[in-house]
Amino acid sequence: KAGVTQTPRYLIKTRGQQVTLSCSPISGHRSVSWYQQTPGQGLQFLFEYFSETQRNKGNFPGRFSGRQFSNSRSEMNVSTLELGDSALYLCASSLAGAPGGTEAFFGQGTRLTVV
Amino acid sequence: AQTVTQSQPEMSVQEAETVTLSCTYDTSENNYYLFWYKQPPSRQMILVIRQEAYKQQNATENRFSVNFQKAAKSFSLKISDSQLGDTAMYFCAFMKHIGSARQLTFGSGTQLTVLP
Repeated sequence: KAGVTQTPRYLIKTRGQQVTLSCSPISGHRSVSWYQQTPGQGLQFLFEYFSETQRNKGNFPGRFSGRQFSNSRSEMNVSTLELGDSALYLCASSLAGAPGGTEAFFGQGTRLTVV
Repeated sequence: AQTVTQSQPEMSVQEAETVTLSCTYDTSENNYYLFWYKQPPSRQMILVIRQEAYKQQNATENRFSVNFQKAAKSFSLKISDSQLGDTAMYFCAFMKHIGSARQLTFGSGTQLTVLP
């Protein structure tokens, strides 16, 4: 069974640009969550999508957005990039709603560098 | 809001020895889940062990076990017979039992180094 796939693995962008990151969950998983990991702030929850609906959102500015498609694949977008957006972005999928479906399976992340 | 605290930024242990990583949390919830994840240099987050708050029995997974003290809001991880491959950053995480929604709150992590 394929794991969670995040693309691209690495990105370098310039301040002011926008970026789109992609996440393909494990087959059958309908919940996709996004996290930002930085040395200073640690791991912070961005948002969660389930059946194409955002049902949970962390404390991030509106520049951070996301969506989920009918096949459960998810994208997150960051507009007007700032230097502080440089981070490892992790995606996690889970069998939300199913018995024992509490475990989140993580992808390898996308390393975003803003210059 | 929930908070998770890991007070040991770094720890080391000799190969084959036992080490315990500490975690405390703060919540007003009664039903929740607690997790330990490891993140090796590859950056892939891997679930180590899971504990449901309503279960009094401490979870175990092979060499990994937890000491869950609900009243004290403490959730420590014990690694027995440490192996070089256990070297990683370990994160304690909390998840509310709110229907099907999934949101993890992580601690700041403990960097564990297993010494040969």
